[in-house]
Formats: sequence, C-alpha cells, structure tokens
Amino acid sequence: GQQLNQSPQSMFIQEGEDVSMNCTSSSIFNTWLWYKQDPGEGPVLLIALYKAGELTSNGRLTAQFGITRKDSFLNISASIPSDVGIYFCAGGGGYGGSQGNLIFGKGTKLSVKP
Amino acid sequence: GAVVSQHPSRVICKSGTSVKIECRSLDFQATTMFWYRQFPKQSLMLMATSNEGSKATYEQGVEKDKFLINHASLTLSTLTVTSAHPEDSSFYICSVNRGEETQYFGPGTRLLVL
Repeated sequence: GQQLNQSPQSMFIQEGEDVSMNCTSSSIFNTWLWYKQDPGEGPVLLIALYKAGELTSNGRLTAQFGITRKDSFLNISASIPSDVGIYFCAGGGGYGGSQGNLIFGKGTKLSVKP
Repeated sequence: GAVVSQHPSRVICKSGTSVKIECRSLDFQATTMFWYRQFPKQSLMLMATSNEGSKATYEQGVEKDKFLINHASLTLSTLTVTSAHPEDSSFYICSVNRGEETQYFGPGTRLLVL
C-alpha cells in the first residue's frame, strides 16, 4: 500500500534553532498536510498545501509542496519549548483511493532543550 | 478550520462489554467523517470512513461487526466497540473532511479494556 517516509524520526534541538523535517513518497499526492500532536490529544492541522510548488507559512512554520508532488518539507524557525510534540505529514488524493482519505507518515518527535 | 468534539475523552471498561464513542462536528455539516486508531508511539491508522446516511467503508483488516459505525446525522458519527478485549485498548480519534482532502481531528478517546 501507499507509504510516506518521514524523517527524521526524532530530533533534539536547542531553543532558538531552526528545525527541518520532510516526507517523501514513491507516489504522487494532490494534497500535503502537516499536523502537530501533543500527548493525549488529537492532531492539529498546521499547514495545508494543495498545489505543486506551493510554499506556505503559518507564523514560524513554513511548508512546501514538492514540485514532483512526491515530497514535502516543514521548517520551524527559532524553536521554542512549546514546539515539543510529534509532527505528522499526510498526503491526500492522487492515488486512486477513496475521496478524502489520508496517508500518514510515522511522525517526527521534536524535543527542545530549554 | 473545523471544530470537532469527542465523547468520552477516556473510558475504562471490562472485557466483553461494548463501548460507544461519539464524534461531533460542531460548526460544519459533515457528510464524511473518519475513524482512526493510534497505538502508543505509532502513527494514525485509518479504520473506516463514515458516510452520512449510508454504510461505513472499512479498511482491510478492520472487523465491521466489531467496530460498528453509525453516521445518523451530518454532525454526529458514533463508533461502538463491541465485546471489547484488552487488545482493543487504544486511542481512537475521529476527523471531519472539510473538502480538498483536508481533515480536522477531534481530541481523541482513550479506551482501556481491563
């Protein structure tokens, strides 16, 4: 089945540093989404990307939809302690699946050293 | 975005009993909702797609007679775990599809089966 390769699996960074994570796939997607999940809670949508090449920002977050439609990255600038959590990428459409279904990456666990 | 609620937030039950989890779309009429299961330190796994007014579509390997889904209105979908067993203990999360393959998630329900 469809799979997304998300990396890195985990990372420790110093507060104030920039963070970068990415997802790749062997198949194309029509939509790339980035979510953040805190412990014991549901994922919260951070950024949604709908067009190849699209670059979108949300505060300190920036994400891009790869031109090949097979990858996406998320950057966090000037990280702060509340950025701690698990970040998931998700791809939608483009693979003949049921409308609205998403394929999730395995997540990137972000830990910030205060 | 979309506001999604789930009830209960956590439930403990005895093995063999049934548990009902509600998912409500508070600000959007959703013809499609999704049910996911998430085990510790893992990504979200789609269980089924809940369609208002029709039968749910289950993913491969998910027993439809064990995980009963009812999407009786445009704002409510329920998931009933029948004859629950300890291996059903997990974090169950619903989501609402608000178009363009973008999903908004509820806060999740923690189920513990003793």
